[in-house]
Amino acid sequence: EVQLLESGGGLVQPGGSLRLSCIGSGFFLRDHVMSWVRQAPGTGLEWLSSIRRGGDTTSYADSVKGRFTISRDDSKNTLYLQMNSLRADDTAVYYCVRTEPYGTTWFGFVQYWGHGTLVTVSS
Amino acid sequence: DIQMTQSPSSLSASVGDRVTITCRASQSISNYLNWYQQKLGKAPKVLIFAASSLQSGVPSRFSGSGSGTDFTLTINILQPEDFATYYCQQTYKTPITFGHGTRLEIK
Repeated sequence: EVQLLESGGGLVQPGGSLRLSCIGSGFFLRDHVMSWVRQAPGTGLEWLSSIRRGGDTTSYADSVKGRFTISRDDSKNTLYLQMNSLRADDTAVYYCVRTEPYGTTWFGFVQYWGHGTLVTVSS
Repeated sequence: DIQMTQSPSSLSASVGDRVTITCRASQSISNYLNWYQQKLGKAPKVLIFAASSLQSGVPSRFSGSGSGTDFTLTINILQPEDFATYYCQQTYKTPITFGHGTRLEIK
């Protein structure tokens, strides 16, 4: 059974940093594009970042570009999101997701979601 | 960025009804359009990918259509478990964007 388990969320002050981790089980992370999606309280879904197999290609939403860094350690079957310069509007549940490609793009659709980890940015 | 406009933002319907949710892209996205269902407190679940392909395990009362800029999600014979929020998502070009969601409520 495919599972994604995020950790690393919590309360952080504005300007602070956090690193989220996501351990995959039931599959090999190395075979898949992985991404992060977040959802602020009571609002919709926001794609943040994706990383291609091998880790050589990444993509970011403008809202986090330059502040967040996605990475992967396939030997540990783990995806990461390093978040720096956090702001109040980064408060959200952060989901680790596994995508399934189709067509000619490398993103596809989200086939599996983690349970999410809550990040709260507040003083 | 490609803007995804979903309508309506909320919808009241009864069990057994047929409902349609639309999603319009600000530019052509071919068929790179996915639909998700999210229930309160849960992670979303994919229903339809590539505009019209039904994800394995999803009931056949769900269907998707469209290409280019205009897309629809149709739910035939609404069941009690279908009351949730629905999102469209384009994956044609980064940044990947979602619609703002359609909340489907029981009438």
